[in-house]
This record gives sequence, structure tokens and C-alpha cells, in this order.
Amino acid sequence: NSKVIQTPRYLVKGQGQKAKMRCIPEKGHPVVFWYQQNKNNEFKFLINFQNQEVLQQIDMTEKRFSAECPSNSPCSLEIQSSEAGDSALYLCASSQGPNSDYTFGSGTRLLVI
Amino acid sequence: QQQVRQSPQSLTVWEGETAILNCSYEDSTFNYFPWYQQFPGEGPALLISIRSVSDKKEDGRFTIFFNKREKKLSLHITDSQPGDSATYFCAAKASSGSWQLIFGSGTQLTVMP
Repeated sequence: NSKVIQTPRYLVKGQGQKAKMRCIPEKGHPVVFWYQQNKNNEFKFLINFQNQEVLQQIDMTEKRFSAECPSNSPCSLEIQSSEAGDSALYLCASSQGPNSDYTFGSGTRLLVI
Repeated sequence: QQQVRQSPQSLTVWEGETAILNCSYEDSTFNYFPWYQQFPGEGPALLISIRSVSDKKEDGRFTIFFNKREKKLSLHITDSQPGDSATYFCAAKASSGSWQLIFGSGTQLTVMP
């Protein structure tokens, strides 16, 4: 019953294909985060936004990953050319601000075959 | 370099016992420590959190004990129930300069009936 809505729940792509996933943050939360959780339960921060602007992102995101949070539309994370190593659970989280709790969605599980 | 460490990796307790999950950190600027509960196939859900100005936080059966000097904290789950069986993640964040939550590698808790 997460207040952060992620779609789709599952995504299967071939290597080299684009993979796109969406997130609707909790109402009233202007800050959105994307994390990657691998099969070893390791969390990797990818990018975050405040309203429509990027606050922080890692190098990986700058290369094959792109993300946006347009006004009045779901946020999205897209992998331009999927690789096997991208197979993971992609988690979206939202927050009211830097000193507030983060709420996570149920995630999109990506499998790249 | 792991900034947030959790132990044990897995823990089994009997129903009704107290489960103790440990967490330690390295960065002295960390001042916000949430614990998340994650069930298979779901995203992490915030269970309880503490800020470094406090040494204890209690919410029902869940209690965080925090030792700032030793950079350690622990989550105590009293009267453990089979429904508590999940993976628990300790996370940490600094008050300024970074939006990122840094996660530990998790403790998989099993509560036997």
C-alpha cells in the first residue's frame, strides 16, 4: 500500500533495448530519488530531483541512464541501451525535504536477457 | 568502502523472543538513521528512525538504541512475530551537503513459530 506508485512492476528487455520505468511520488513530496537495488541487496543511488530539477546524480546515470520529473506527469527513469548488469530492482522514493523521511515505492524489477 | 555496516547478516529467533539487529557507521556527519523493513518482492518500508540528538527511540515493539560516541546503533524487536520475518536495512544520512541515504547490506530476520 505504498504511497509512491511505480510502474511497471516487472520489465523484461533484451540487451541493447531501451527500458523505461515510471514513478508517481507521494502527494506533497517535491523531492524524488531513484535507487538501484541489486541481487546482493546493495543500494546504489542514481539520481534525485527537486520538482523538475536534478539535485544530484552519479556518473552512471550521466551515461546510459536518463531521468526526468516533468510537472504534472510521472517521473521516469530510462536506460538507453540495457545491459545484463542492469538487472535489478529499481526503487523510486520521495520526500518532503532533506530533513524528512523518505517513502519508497514497490519498485520495478528489471530483467535484461 | 562500506560506510554503514550491519550484523548479523542473518538472524533466527523464536516467536516471542527479542531480536537484536546491529548497525555501525563511519561518517561522523551522519545524523539521521532510518531503519527499513523489506519483504520479498516489495520496496523497503520505513519502520522507525532516529536522529543523533537522541539515544533512544521507541515505537511499539521496535526500539532503536543509539550510541553516538561509538557510532553504533541497534534495532530491538521485542515479542517477535512470524510476520516480522523480513530483511531489515539500517541507513544513514548527513544533515547537509548530500541528499543520499547510505544503506547497510541488511539483516535477514526469520522468526520461527
